[in-house]
Amino acid sequence: AQSVAQPEDQVNVAEGNPLTVKCTYSVSGNPYLFWYVQYPNRGLQFLLKYITGDNLVKGSYGFEAEFNKSQTSFHLKKPSALVSDSALYFCAVRLEGGGNKLTFGTGTQLKVEL
Amino acid sequence: DTAVSQTPKYLVTQMGNDKSIKCEQNLGHDTMYWYKQDSKKFLKIMFSYNNKELIINETVPNRFSPKSPDKAHLNLHINSLELGDSAVYFCASSRRTSGITAYEQYFGPGTRLTVT
Repeated sequence: AQSVAQPEDQVNVAEGNPLTVKCTYSVSGNPYLFWYVQYPNRGLQFLLKYITGDNLVKGSYGFEAEFNKSQTSFHLKKPSALVSDSALYFCAVRLEGGGNKLTFGTGTQLKVEL
Repeated sequence: DTAVSQTPKYLVTQMGNDKSIKCEQNLGHDTMYWYKQDSKKFLKIMFSYNNKELIINETVPNRFSPKSPDKAHLNLHINSLELGDSAVYFCASSRRTSGITAYEQYFGPGTRLTVT
């Protein structure tokens, strides 16, 4: 079975500082990995994905994520956090050849403070 | 020009009632989904349709019945509503075949269902 873990329920960071939201995955084949963001009372928005190729993936709003196969991780990063980045972030995994089923992590609440 | 839309946005109803939620996407996608997000924000897939064919059917009570009249629409009908059905239900769509946006799911704004 495929799964993702987001070990932190909440991450606090000061505006202007770099941020990292952690994600580790467990699949038996090649993973397709995704990050989504959810603002209050809104649906999820796609940020970025890794399918193959360069391990460093760049996405929307200045976010990037690094696929690390040996550590089975796909951490989300941003060099300089903004207050407007405060939201709930979800990591998700799809198994290659596994249809379109995404398995989501439990979410990490990011709070960026002035 | 909303990409994925859902109606209604809020739904308050009593136990035992039957209700429907509608979803429409104008992205030209061929796959649509229903997700349930509980009070702890945990997100779980319920159903997925590809070109009107059911392809994912997770362990969901058979009181929940999806219907896809065409590949741009996916509705969710719920019979005999229970307190535990209270949640936010999200519709999503994606392009199943390969391409630069393949497998990216685009979500609607959600329907907050409250069963009293």
